[in-house]
Amino acid sequence: AQSVTQLDSQVPVFEEAPVELRCNYSSSVSVYLFWYVQYPNQGLQLLLKYLSGSTLVKGINGFEAEFNKSQTSFHLRKPSVHISDTAEYFCAVTRDDKIIFGKGTRLHILP
Amino acid sequence: DSGVTQTPKHLITATGQRVTLRCSPRSGDLSVYWYQQSLDQGLQFLIQYYNGEERAKGNILERFSAQQFPDLHSELNLSSLELGDSALYFCASGRLDRGTDTQYFGPGTRLTVL
Repeated sequence: AQSVTQLDSQVPVFEEAPVELRCNYSSSVSVYLFWYVQYPNQGLQLLLKYLSGSTLVKGINGFEAEFNKSQTSFHLRKPSVHISDTAEYFCAVTRDDKIIFGKGTRLHILP
Repeated sequence: DSGVTQTPKHLITATGQRVTLRCSPRSGDLSVYWYQQSLDQGLQFLIQYYNGEERAKGNILERFSAQQFPDLHSELNLSSLELGDSALYFCASGRLDRGTDTQYFGPGTRLTVL
């Protein structure tokens, strides 16, 4: 069975510093990968997705992620965070129409 | 704005009661997914409908049921409510893109069972 591991439940980072949110999945076959963001008291919003093609995927709000098949990872990065990036971030993987979400990583932006 | 609408936004009810949550997918999307989000369980997939038919089932309790109507809106029915059913309930609508659905989430319904 496939699974998604978000290695950090919380990540504190200073404003304007870079951030990486880690995601690893377990699957021996091709998968589709997603990152969603959930701002306080809101639903999940799609940040970016990897379906095929280039392994570097650019999303909204300056985020990007790199699909690494050999390391089964799909880490999310942003070169410079803002206070408005305070949110919970979910990595998800789909295969055969089933989607599995990671437990989420809370990004805390420190002034 | 994802284009997915959910009503009501908040719902407060008592144990043992029955409630219905409603979801309208984005125009053109045929799939509707239901999720439950709580602090202890995280985001749990409940059920998926595709063009009116049940497609996949997740961790949905027998007290819960759902359906998708011909106009593609969906309803999630929760009955014999317990305190532990208090949670955020999201629906998402899906559009096929290169072999998989990309899901777009609604704003959610916050259910409080007293």
